[in-house]
Amino acid sequence: SQTIHQWPATLVQPVGSPLSLECTVEGTSNPNLYWYRQAAGRGLQLLFYSVGIGQISSEVPQNLSASRPQDRQFILSSKKLLLSDSGFYLCAWTGAGKLDTQYFGPGTRLTVL
Amino acid sequence: QKEVEQNSGPLSVPEGAIASLNCTYSDRGSQSFFWYRQYSGKSPELIMSIYSNGDKEDGRFTAQLNKASQYVSLLIRDSQPSDSATYLCAVVPGAGSYQLTFGKGTKLSVIP
Repeated sequence: SQTIHQWPATLVQPVGSPLSLECTVEGTSNPNLYWYRQAAGRGLQLLFYSVGIGQISSEVPQNLSASRPQDRQFILSSKKLLLSDSGFYLCAWTGAGKLDTQYFGPGTRLTVL
Repeated sequence: QKEVEQNSGPLSVPEGAIASLNCTYSDRGSQSFFWYRQYSGKSPELIMSIYSNGDKEDGRFTAQLNKASQYVSLLIRDSQPSDSATYLCAVVPGAGSYQLTFGKGTKLSVIP
């Protein structure tokens, strides 16, 4: 069966510090991968998605970036965090080829102080 | 812009009652529809998917789809306090899309 991992689970960072969040999927090949952010009391905001290694589509211009160095690994980064980057970051995956059911990882709670 | 609309609630129902959650979407080309449940502080988990007009039942949950009216709903029978959560409606906006469009969710409270 497929499993999706995210780490760290929680993170407290000062403004201006860098960020690296990691997501890995097990039990499937060539998944579509997604990064979402959910700010407090708000809906899910799609940040990036990837349909293959090195292929990244950005949905929202901001100070975040994403990379996919391996088939089942998706990384979210920032060089300098802003207060507005605080939120619940979710990684998700679907099967290769086309969008079907999307499954979410456990998430990372980021607080920027 | 393709949109998915949900009543934010909160929707309060007594234990044992039927909870009815509604969702409308703007893109007539949408083909796939999903309901997710999200407990406070947790990630969304899939409850139901529906692709054709009509009803789809899974245990206490029934998803209903009406493409002509661009309307999808989720019924929860015999509601339990453990059903208290935010329910997210998600839609694939057209064939071949790699993205889901999510509604902002409806918060459901089941009162014991």
